[in-house]
Amino acid sequence: EDKVVQSPLSLVVHEGDTVTLNCSYEVTNFRSLLWYKQEKKAPTFLFMLTSSGIEKKSGRLSSILDKKELFSILNITATQTGDSAVYLCAVVAQANTGNQFYFGTGTSLTVIP
Amino acid sequence: EPEVTQTPSHQVTQMGQEVILRCVPISNHLYFYWYRQILGQKVEFLVSFYNNEISEKSEIFDDQFSVERPDGSNFTLKIRSTKLEDSAMYFCASRRDRGTIQPQHFGDGTRLSIL
Repeated sequence: EDKVVQSPLSLVVHEGDTVTLNCSYEVTNFRSLLWYKQEKKAPTFLFMLTSSGIEKKSGRLSSILDKKELFSILNITATQTGDSAVYLCAVVAQANTGNQFYFGTGTSLTVIP
Repeated sequence: EPEVTQTPSHQVTQMGQEVILRCVPISNHLYFYWYRQILGQKVEFLVSFYNNEISEKSEIFDDQFSVERPDGSNFTLKIRSTKLEDSAMYFCASRRDRGTIQPQHFGDGTRLSIL
């Protein structure tokens, strides 16, 4: 049973386009939601969201969380070829002895020059 | 900036052999993780480790797997009697604080290929 579902699975856009990536989740004892960018190797951290409605922004990337509807979106404006990567959503839930991280399958973004 | 380091970057092993994947977490981090990512699939949680013991483990982490922190810096994943389906990228991650949520920092991974 998937706890974190990302959509679309893949996306191909042209440079300069704006994209919106979706992440929905269903976990018990939610604590936070994280976005990562994965290029060839390790996922690199982008954002951590714990409160609804508060936008996190870093350059052309922004993200927001809706804890009522159980989803988050990641926006990338004016896309560049360097944005091509898999974007992973992870949800942190309180487990018996600590925090458990659940990852989605990722959205593969390809930006064409 | 400190980072999580993993060795080797690629390990090729015959089926049935034992492998040890090594990780050096960031030095002031307290919580350590292993994840697996089979080619083309999602990142899967294997195990978390805190205070010298396993704190959580997934269904994937059966008796074939074990983790150890043999000294103050290394964190290892041992896979006994490897199977073809163990072929995957294995990521180590560490996190600074247990109480408050902090993002995990990932190593570059070890690509394990079982022949």
